[in-house]
Amino acid sequence: KQEVTQIPAALSVPEGENLVLNCSFTDSAIYNLQWFRQDPGKGLTSLLLIQSSQREQTSGRLNASLDKSSGRSTLYIAASQPGDSATYLCAVYGGATNKLIFGTGTLLAVQP
Amino acid sequence: ETGVTQTPRHLVMGMTNKKSLKCEQHLGHNAMYWYKQSAKKPLELMFVYNFKEQTENNSVPSRFSPECPNSSHLFLHLHTLQPEDSALYLCASSQGRDYSGDTQYFGPGTRLTVL
Repeated sequence: KQEVTQIPAALSVPEGENLVLNCSFTDSAIYNLQWFRQDPGKGLTSLLLIQSSQREQTSGRLNASLDKSSGRSTLYIAASQPGDSATYLCAVYGGATNKLIFGTGTLLAVQP
Repeated sequence: ETGVTQTPRHLVMGMTNKKSLKCEQHLGHNAMYWYKQSAKKPLELMFVYNFKEQTENNSVPSRFSPECPNSSHLFLHLHTLQPEDSALYLCASSQGRDYSGDTQYFGPGTRLTVL
């Protein structure tokens, strides 16, 4: 059974810092991995999608990497801003379940 | 309206009530999904519809009854719910015909409280 774990559960950093969010998954036979952002009381917004054949994807200040063999992904946020404060969710698709399986998320607070 | 919309945004209901959640997508997608998000738990997939046909029921109790009259609309009918059903219910849609791993676009959710 695919399990997705995100560490840390919560993170608080001062504005301007670079930071890394971690995601690990137990079944490496995935089709892709996605990072989402969720603001309080709102739905999810897709940030980056990495296909299993890719090693990383970049969008603006965000860079996501994927190491499928070790079951890990990281989301790197450069020069963090208070507007980056949200919950970041990692989700993997594929493997034995053939579903989108989510982690519990990392709650990020960027202090001005 | 653009993207994925959900109504109502908040709902409080008693255990004996019957209510419905509505989702509408304006993206021309072919697949729609219902998810449940409980506090401190990962999002749980409930149902998947492709071209109005249900292709996934993730062992959801029968007190939740989905309906998909067309590719743009998805409903979740609720009856005799339990307090533990209180959660954020999220609707999503994607382009692909089936669970092809396409990016899913989410609505803002309905915050449901069962008294």
